[in-house]
Amino acid sequence: DAGVTQSPTHLIKTRGQQVTLRCSPKSGHDTVSWYQQALGQGPQFIFQYYEEEERQRGNFPDRFSGHQFPNYSSELNVNALLLGDSALYLCASSLTSQYKRTDTQYFGPGTRLTVL
Amino acid sequence: DAKTTQPNSMESNEEEPVHLPCNHSTISGTDYIHWYRQLPSQGPEYVIHGLTSNVNNRMASLAIAEDRKSSTLILHRATLRDAAVYYCILIGYGQNFVFGPGTRLSVLP
Repeated sequence: DAGVTQSPTHLIKTRGQQVTLRCSPKSGHDTVSWYQQALGQGPQFIFQYYEEEERQRGNFPDRFSGHQFPNYSSELNVNALLLGDSALYLCASSLTSQYKRTDTQYFGPGTRLTVL
Repeated sequence: DAKTTQPNSMESNEEEPVHLPCNHSTISGTDYIHWYRQLPSQGPEYVIHGLTSNVNNRMASLAIAEDRKSSTLILHRATLRDAAVYYCILIGYGQNFVFGPGTRLSVLP
């Protein structure tokens, strides 16, 4: 059973460009969350998708947008890249239950984005 | 979102038990306590979670204080593979994961 997969592994962009990162959730999972992890810090929640809609959003600007497809896979798009967007972007999947507080998140290995 | 406080770093010797503390004095009655860890060059992975009672699984044990204002993750016999950053996270109704800086655990051979 494949876990959470992300592509690409590494990416280099220049300021002002746009980037799309992809995530395939663990088999049987219906919820995808995205996180940004700067070097030496803990992951910061960007947003979560469930049933193809953004369910919750963290404190990130509108330059960060996403999408979830009918097969539960997801994309993270970042427009007008800034140097400060350089980070590891993590995708996590889970199966939403009635008791959301106990849902376990399974993380992918991440995409390392470098903005020059 | 409720906050947690963890030591920045800890050291342990291989094969010895490790007790990783977490303070969460503002925890609400419905917040679950989750622990995740992040091995080098990997995404975080689930370790354990609990509400009020102590919990055990194949990876670790979670000891929760009676007043729930603190908890301790216990690794019974540390191995080199347990060297990682350990995150203590509180999850309440309608909340998502808020990661702090965590505790960087070093395991010495």
